[in-house]
Amino acid sequence: AQTVTQSQPEMSVQEAETVTLSCTYDTSENNYYLFWYKQPPSRQMILVIRQEAYKQQNATENRFSVNFQKAAKSFSLKISDSQLGDTAMYFCAFMIDSNTGKLIFGQGTTLQVKP
Amino acid sequence: EAGVAQSPRYKIIEKRQSVAFWCNPISGHATLYWYQQILGQGPKLLIQFQNNGVVDDSQLPKDRFSAERLKGVDSTLKIQPAKLEDSAVYLCASSLESRWGSNTEAFFGQGTRLTVV
Repeated sequence: AQTVTQSQPEMSVQEAETVTLSCTYDTSENNYYLFWYKQPPSRQMILVIRQEAYKQQNATENRFSVNFQKAAKSFSLKISDSQLGDTAMYFCAFMIDSNTGKLIFGQGTTLQVKP
Repeated sequence: EAGVAQSPRYKIIEKRQSVAFWCNPISGHATLYWYQQILGQGPKLLIQFQNNGVVDDSQLPKDRFSAERLKGVDSTLKIQPAKLEDSAVYLCASSLESRWGSNTEAFFGQGTRLTVV
């Protein structure tokens, strides 16, 4: 069975500093997609960044970047220059079947950015 | 463009009552998903529609949950009768198509928070 594990229930960081959120997953598949979603108090899930497993280069979106270690099945999210608006719940998600788009989510990490 | 609309935002019902949630996906999006998010957990897919046909309902508790997407646009998710463990946020999402490519994205609504007392 495919699973996603986020081992950090809560994290905090000072404004302008860098923080890394961890995610590991389990699959026997070779081709899949990985995602990080942000869920603010409004509850709307917002896509932060995505990584396709066949791409070796780590994805980057402005202040957000990932460290994708395929052999270790690890997919961490680094947030640089943290801003107060980054305060939210962050979910790592995994998709093995691109024909359906079914996402499997981790348990989430609550991130608080402190002024 | 307008996002995924869901209503109501909040609902409180007693156990054994019935409840229905409504979702209006982004215009033109063929694929619609319903996820259940229990407090402290990540969302779990309940059912997926491609136009008005069901693609995956393997995790939908069919003895009490039902969903439909008439005309391949709006969708409703119903629970009858509700149990205490159904308390959760119900998220609707849509994507342009079911087959994902490099730029495919699922857009989520703000969800309905259901409390069963």
